[in-house]
Amino acid sequence: KNEVEQSPQNLTAQEGEFITINCSYSVGISALHWLQQHPGGGIVSLFMLSSGKKKHGRLIATINIQEKHSSLHITASHPRDSAVYICAVRSGQGAQKLVFGQGTRLTINP
Amino acid sequence: ETGVTQSPTHLIKTRGQQVTLRCSSQSGHNTVSWYQQALGQGPQFIFQYYREEENGRGNFPPRFSGLQFPNYSSELNVNALELDDSALYLCASRRTGTHYGYTFGSGTRLTVV
Repeated sequence: KNEVEQSPQNLTAQEGEFITINCSYSVGISALHWLQQHPGGGIVSLFMLSSGKKKHGRLIATINIQEKHSSLHITASHPRDSAVYICAVRSGQGAQKLVFGQGTRLTINP
Repeated sequence: ETGVTQSPTHLIKTRGQQVTLRCSSQSGHNTVSWYQQALGQGPQFIFQYYREEENGRGNFPPRFSGLQFPNYSSELNVNALELDDSALYLCASRRTGTHYGYTFGSGTRLTVV
C-alpha cells in the first residue's frame, strides 16, 4: 500500500462543476502539498498545509491531521484547470523528503 | 527570484552511457531534492542535498549520484544507464525551515534507447 493515496485517479467533468480530489496518507507529516502538473511536466505548487484550510481564488485545500486526510476543491471549474493534481507529504526524521501520491488526472470539458 | 531551471529539457541516451542533469535553484534555497517520475506515476524521491552534503536518499542504486554547489546549483549523475531509467527527472528546492514550500523545475525528460 502506498504511503500516499489519491482518489479518484481520473476525473472528467463539465465546465462549471465543483471538483473534489482526495488524499489520504499513512505516515507522520510536517506538511502536505497540493501540486499541479501540466502535460509538459513542470510542477506548480498550489498549497502547503499543516492544518485547517487555505483558499486561493477558486481553489480550496483542507486537511484533517487526526484523520490523515486532505481534499482539494475547485469551484466553477474551467477547461484550463485540466491537469494532473498531485498530493505530496513532507515526511521523515531529520532530512525530510516529499512522498507523492500517484496523481489525479482532471479533464474539464467545455 | 528567477525560479528553478533545469537543463537540458529533453535528452536521448544509449543504454550503458552516463548522463548529467543540471538544476539551478533560487538564491537562498540551500535544500535541493531530485525525483524520478516514470510515465503515469507519481514522482519518486532519489536524494536530497543540504549545504552541499547528501542528507537523505531514496531506494535508488549507487549509480545515481549527485552534487550540490555553493551557487545553489546541483547535478544528478546516472551511470550505466538502463532502459528503465527513462523518465522525467525533477528537481525541487527550498529554504531551510518547515514553513517554506518547494519550488519545482520543469524537469528533464530522459529517454534511454
